Amino acid sequence: DQQVKQNSPSLSVQEGRISILNCDYTNSMFDYFLWYKKYPAEGPTFLISISSIKDKNEDGRFTVFLNKSAKHLSLHIVPSQPGDSAVYFCAARAYSGNTPLVFGKGTRLSVIA
Amino acid sequence: NAGVMQNPRHLVRRRGQEARLRCSPMKGHSHVYWYRQLPEEGLKFMVYLQKENIIDESGMPKERFSAEFPKEGPSILRIQQVVRGDSAAYFCASSPPVPGEQYFGPGTRLTVT
Repeated sequence: DQQVKQNSPSLSVQEGRISILNCDYTNSMFDYFLWYKKYPAEGPTFLISISSIKDKNEDGRFTVFLNKSAKHLSLHIVPSQPGDSAVYFCAARAYSGNTPLVFGKGTRLSVIA
Repeated sequence: NAGVMQNPRHLVRRRGQEARLRCSPMKGHSHVYWYRQLPEEGLKFMVYLQKENIIDESGMPKERFSAEFPKEGPSILRIQQVVRGDSAAYFCASSPPVPGEQYFGPGTRLTVT
């Protein structure tokens, strides 16, 4: 039973345009959400996070939106750059504190120059 | 400030041998998590440790797998009598004492022949 779902295995976007990566979750106890970026043969790199008390968090070109009623979050990258090409993982955790993360299967983003 | 370190980066074992994977957390981090990634899958939680304590091992197989985080030295994930299905990338993450993001190491790629 997948509690965190990334339904698009891949996404291609033109350089300079917006990339939108989506994530759905089923566990109502999740209250903290994170996005990680992963290059081949490397570990995931933390990108941005959002707490369930917010509906938006922005950091430079990256913005995460959270819709709690729909149990949906999305990551927007504007403008997209070729260096953004990687696999993006959505992750969630329940309760506050240091608890394990539950990951989606990832979306492979290709930014075409 | 060095990041999370894992070694070895690549490990080849024959069926039936033992695999030992090491993880040194970031300086100041006292929480360590182990995750496993199978091909085309997301990361799956295995075990969460603090110094000298296993906090949550709900994701770790009951047999052949064990983990420790001693008072001195790195955290170790040990797999006894490896089988082909153990072939995967094993990632370690660490987080500080106050709740925060988890930072990942580069991973150990285990191949069982």
